[in-house]
Amino acid sequence: AQRVTQPEKLLSVFKGAPVELKCNYSYSGSPELFWYVQYSRQRLQLLLRHISRESIKGFTADLNKGETSFHLKKPFAQEEDSAMYYCALSAVGTSYGKLTFGQGTILTVHP
Amino acid sequence: GAVVSQHPSRVICKSGTSVKIECRSLDFQATTMFWYRQFPKQSLMLMATSNEGSKATYEQGVEKDKFLINHASLTLSTLTVTSAHPEDSSFYICSARDHGGGTGELFFGEGSRLTVL
Repeated sequence: AQRVTQPEKLLSVFKGAPVELKCNYSYSGSPELFWYVQYSRQRLQLLLRHISRESIKGFTADLNKGETSFHLKKPFAQEEDSAMYYCALSAVGTSYGKLTFGQGTILTVHP
Repeated sequence: GAVVSQHPSRVICKSGTSVKIECRSLDFQATTMFWYRQFPKQSLMLMATSNEGSKATYEQGVEKDKFLINHASLTLSTLTVTSAHPEDSSFYICSARDHGGGTGELFFGEGSRLTVL
């Protein structure tokens, strides 16, 4: 069975500082990894996924199969980045959309 | 982007009653929808996969007779919590994939908060 671990429940940084939200996974096959974000009083939305290798809102994430990690990074945090972030995994071969979520990390960016 | 809408957003019911939650894909067709449950300050837990025109697939530990899922059309899936009890109080979230979209992105509803008294 797959598992996603986000070790930090809360993360606080100041505006302009670098931020890294950690995500580790456990899965025997080749996973597809995602980061979802939930802003205050809004629904969950996709931030980025590893197969796209894109940067969204300044965030990037690299899949490290050796370390089974998919950490989310941004070099200069902004106040509007304050939100709940979920790392999620989709096992290859399963119905796309059947996601296993991490526990989530609440990011607070202080002015 | 595509929109998934849930109704009601909040519902309070008495113990023993049944509650139905709707999940609609507003501008796309979804042959598959997913129902998640979220406990306070915890992660989302997949409950079941809703398949249009066929039976839902439930995750281990989820009672299919307790959580009835119907996916009668390509734009609507319903979750009925039968004989609800206080321990069923939770935040229920649905999601659907836009198969017609280029990215196949998964879109989430706004969630439905159920409180059972």
